[in-house]
Amino acid sequence: GAVVSQHPSRVICKSGTSVKIECRSLDFQATTMFWYRQFPKKSLMLMATSNEGSKATYEQGVEKDKFLINHASLTLSTLTVTSAHPEDSSFYICSASSKTGYYEQYFGPGTRLTVT
Amino acid sequence: GESVGLHLPTLSVQEGDNSIINCAYSNSASDYFIWYKQESGKGPQFIIDIRSNMDKRQGQRVTVLLNKTVKHLSLQIAATQPGDSAVYFCAEIPTGGGNKLTFGTGTQLKVEL
Repeated sequence: GAVVSQHPSRVICKSGTSVKIECRSLDFQATTMFWYRQFPKKSLMLMATSNEGSKATYEQGVEKDKFLINHASLTLSTLTVTSAHPEDSSFYICSASSKTGYYEQYFGPGTRLTVT
Repeated sequence: GESVGLHLPTLSVQEGDNSIINCAYSNSASDYFIWYKQESGKGPQFIIDIRSNMDKRQGQRVTVLLNKTVKHLSLQIAATQPGDSAVYFCAEIPTGGGNKLTFGTGTQLKVEL
């Protein structure tokens, strides 16, 4: 149980375009989803926290107009990188937690974004 | 572009030996600690957790030790196997911080045959 999927696993896009990444909890209801960014050989950096049906809470320094997060249902959150630039190239990882397993976060497999 | 900085600390061990991976955390008010394993190109995988009211917890082949006095956490892996090769991260949840995780810098474990 507690499986989280991400789609796509890899995406290459041109500079200036927007890219949407989906995060789904497959076998549980995720009241909270988190989005992280990871550079090569670096740790995970929390970008934002989203609760179903409400606006995401962004960490300091993360541009909310650049990284649009929607948590429309208890099983789906999306991250849209708008007007992507090469510096947005990174590994994006989501995680999900349920109300019952408050401290437990289940991570998705990640999405590798490359902006050319 | 992407940042360039120090490489991850690396721990090399022989197959069959025990591994000890260390982590220093910063927030003395942290309530909950977790160790994750991350293989290349994949998301983190939960290994073991420990609450601040404990100093040791054992799982299958893994043990986590917590020393709150010096804010130190360690992960011990018994009889290390090639499949244990990965980057290991400690993470903490501060008291009153909701369930937001703060990740440590990570350690690359390499198992040599």
